[in-house]
Amino acid sequence: GAVVSQHPSWVICKSGTSVKIECRSLDFQATTMFWYRQFPKQSLMLMATSNEGSKATYEQGVEKDKFLINHASLTLSTLTVTSAHPEDSSFYICSGSGKTSYEQYFGPGTRLTVT
Amino acid sequence: AQSVTQLGSHVSVSEGALVLLRCNYSSSVPPYLFWYVQYPNQGLQLLLKYTSAATLVKGINGFEAEFKKSETSFHLTKPSAHMSDAAEYFCASDPYYGNNRLAFGKGNQVVVIP
Repeated sequence: GAVVSQHPSWVICKSGTSVKIECRSLDFQATTMFWYRQFPKQSLMLMATSNEGSKATYEQGVEKDKFLINHASLTLSTLTVTSAHPEDSSFYICSGSGKTSYEQYFGPGTRLTVT
Repeated sequence: AQSVTQLGSHVSVSEGALVLLRCNYSSSVPPYLFWYVQYPNQGLQLLLKYTSAATLVKGINGFEAEFKKSETSFHLTKPSAHMSDAAEYFCASDPYYGNNRLAFGKGNQVVVIP
């Protein structure tokens, strides 16, 4: 299957700072990318969907000014958590799907800890 | 809102025994349904999917799932567990038929006992 990478895999930041997470499709063009959040022992919650070159569509309850998503190319999407707080600590997972395939290919996730 | 229920966060199964993971969906109209597997430090990988064609769906690694509308279920099975099946399994639904906005269950951590 197609490969999606995320960087970093693990990050710690101080409260009030911003942190950027990268999601890359390594061997396919991801026309659509998705960002999920997963709390311990909970399911993945879809945060937003982004199409290359367009603004992201956020799910209800997700603060778009807090979680900035950029999908500037067909192989890269970034999620920036702005002014992070401890309650933003979570596991963030991205996925991508191509133009010809409905299937989503998932990255391995990024664990964010805000102190 | 659309939801998917997976009961029992941890499932232990003996090597060679049947693997059964249960998934129920909540929508009145059957959605597309998926099972994903996640191995440590890897992304979720699609095992199989139901998109309103055959109700018995075969996937990779010997897994299969049966869609039952009357029970609003999409349970995952494998006749004989292997040690390599130890992983986390997620059921997901797409009520928008291709919109790809997936709703996930909480997952089952499968432990295979030698």
